[in-house]
Amino acid sequence: EAQVTQNPRYLITVTGKKLTVTCSQNMNHEYMSWYRQDPGLGLRQIYYSMNVEVTDKGDVPEGYKVSRKEKRNFPLILESPSPNQTSLYFCASSFTGMGEQYFGPGTRLTVT
Amino acid sequence: DAKTTQPNSMESNEEEPVHLPCNHSTISGTDYIHWYRQLPSQGPEYVIHGLTSNVNNRMASLAIAEDRKSSTLILHRATLRDAAVYYCILRDGLDFGNEKLTFGTGTRLTIIP
Repeated sequence: EAQVTQNPRYLITVTGKKLTVTCSQNMNHEYMSWYRQDPGLGLRQIYYSMNVEVTDKGDVPEGYKVSRKEKRNFPLILESPSPNQTSLYFCASSFTGMGEQYFGPGTRLTVT
Repeated sequence: DAKTTQPNSMESNEEEPVHLPCNHSTISGTDYIHWYRQLPSQGPEYVIHGLTSNVNNRMASLAIAEDRKSSTLILHRATLRDAAVYYCILRDGLDFGNEKLTFGTGTRLTIIP
């Protein structure tokens, strides 16, 4: 089954404790992206990757890092999480072009 | 990206057709019209997209006005599972870089049993 998986689905952590949210897709997609969704602000893009070893900033990259060492994986790294990064995070992937994007189920992160 | 305008909410009876409108008066000639939906507690899900001609797939139909300044997503027979927020999004077909989707506030569709 074609899918995007994210782990963990739920995470409660404390300020400053480094964490990684994993994203994996099994469709051989070149393009992958991370969004955060906050009430009243909709979905905003954090980072994206056009292919292996090619990443770039989205609209709200501050406080986040990503890497793309393999085509299927695109982890989101929070080196020193802060409460304002409490949010619902979605990973997405697609072939490049006008095709459909597939989204993961989401990771709900709470930073206290 | 050009802006889209959608009603905040709509209601429809189960097993009836639903027409979800979207206005995009500043659409450019190379903008594709995409529709995604987000069911409760899930990630966004692709529904359909088109450029000029009407499009059909197993989920829905997309009717595009002749001047392309508006479009309508049609769910032919709504079920309770179709209750979601529906987003109308424009993407420039000549943008070969970031595949970013710019989500607005969408239309919250409620299905009445």
